[in-house]
Amino acid sequence: AQKVTQAQTEISVVEKEDVTLDCVYETRDTTYYLFWYKQPPSGELVFLIRRNSFDEQNEISGRYSWNFQKSTSSFNFTITASQVVDSAVYFCALINQTGANNLFFGTGTRLTVIP
Amino acid sequence: NAGVTQTPKFQVLKTGQSMTLQCAQDMNHEYMSWYRQDPGMGLRLIHYSVGAGITDQGEVPNGYNVSRSTTEDFPLRLLSAAPSQTSVYFCASSRPQGVFYEQYFGPGTRLTVT
Repeated sequence: AQKVTQAQTEISVVEKEDVTLDCVYETRDTTYYLFWYKQPPSGELVFLIRRNSFDEQNEISGRYSWNFQKSTSSFNFTITASQVVDSAVYFCALINQTGANNLFFGTGTRLTVIP
Repeated sequence: NAGVTQTPKFQVLKTGQSMTLQCAQDMNHEYMSWYRQDPGMGLRLIHYSVGAGITDQGEVPNGYNVSRSTTEDFPLRLLSAAPSQTSVYFCASSRPQGVFYEQYFGPGTRLTVT
């Protein structure tokens, strides 16, 4: 079985603050992929990153960074110097090697950046 | 490329009515899927297809049918709408199974069943 837990339901930060969104996953597969998607107020789902289970290197893309730790089954997402445009719901998701391309989503974290 | 398109964007149904949500993609993706999004529950998989003529059930398939006669289209049918099917529906597609590329999502269909 697989499960993705995003324990933070809602987070509010003041603009320019850093914020970390937590994601903890469970899977029995040794090969899997982790994803982060952003859902802005307009409602579409925007792909942010994919990480496979064999690559534990942290990744940075502009103000975004991701920390993948297999030892704690976590794939956390940090936004540095947050901006109002970062306000959205963020989803962490998992694909197992044995599960076709089916994404298992967490319940999402709603981030509000206050100007 | 238009990507993944969904129609309609909004729909209101009465209990017991049937309807088809349309989904099409122009990226020649083999894998397509339908998810529903409900408050506090994230997105849950309804049905998916790994290629034309092949479909399978996801986590919450009851009350829905799908077919995949072409690579491009993957319609979702509600057989007899119920208020519990009030949700936002997303269609997604990706490159072939086994490669685990990111999925591209359509803009969603907001369905209300009264």
